[in-house]
Amino acid sequence: GAGVSQSPSNKVTEKGKDVELRCDPISGHTALYWYRQSLGQGLEFLIYFQGNSAPDKSGLPSDRFSAERTGGSVSTLTIQRTQQEDSAVYLCASSPDRGGIETQYFGPGTRLLVL
Amino acid sequence: AQSVSQHNHHVILSEAASLELGCNYSYGGTVNLFWYVQYPGQHLQLLLKYFSGDPLVKGIKGFEAEFIKSKFSFNLRKPSVQWSDTAEYFCAVNPYFGNEKLTFGTGTRLTIIP
Repeated sequence: GAGVSQSPSNKVTEKGKDVELRCDPISGHTALYWYRQSLGQGLEFLIYFQGNSAPDKSGLPSDRFSAERTGGSVSTLTIQRTQQEDSAVYLCASSPDRGGIETQYFGPGTRLLVL
Repeated sequence: AQSVSQHNHHVILSEAASLELGCNYSYGGTVNLFWYVQYPGQHLQLLLKYFSGDPLVKGIKGFEAEFIKSKFSFNLRKPSVQWSDTAEYFCAVNPYFGNEKLTFGTGTRLTIIP
């Protein structure tokens, strides 16, 4: 079946502009995660959605970052007033919730470059 | 808060050599442990995972890892590497009570010389 998809695959923007990154999780997966992979920082957690519960936003680095998940499926990560340090690969993952511990499946990522 | 350490940043081996990549974690409770692999140009894929039971777990492509609770370690091993194992390897942990965010190590880049 289809895996996690993300768009765009690459995004180049100018400092100060807003960007939106999209994630389509695997159908039926109730949990959705955003991570960021950057040089020197490794892979870091950003935000986590689980069903209809309030999201865990504890990993968002500043209030310029926000994310939504509409209808329990597609998610959009928005970065306002982008800075050069926001340049990174933004990864989305999803997992099912069958009442136990689940594996997270990752998408290909969106490579963001802020000039 | 949990943390994960991967002390080997870049490992270079010849084909057929044995591999061991270190992973240590810091967390006060029970954890789930994962190794993910990222081949060049591809996205992260699960290599193997440990939730409970036998501390020696086997994954895809001949990889295995051993959970040693007393050492807070989950080292990845393969007895004989191949050129196609060239990739970046990430150790990750999350708390043992259901779906939770993963904490990753900084990754180990493995280069296999034919």
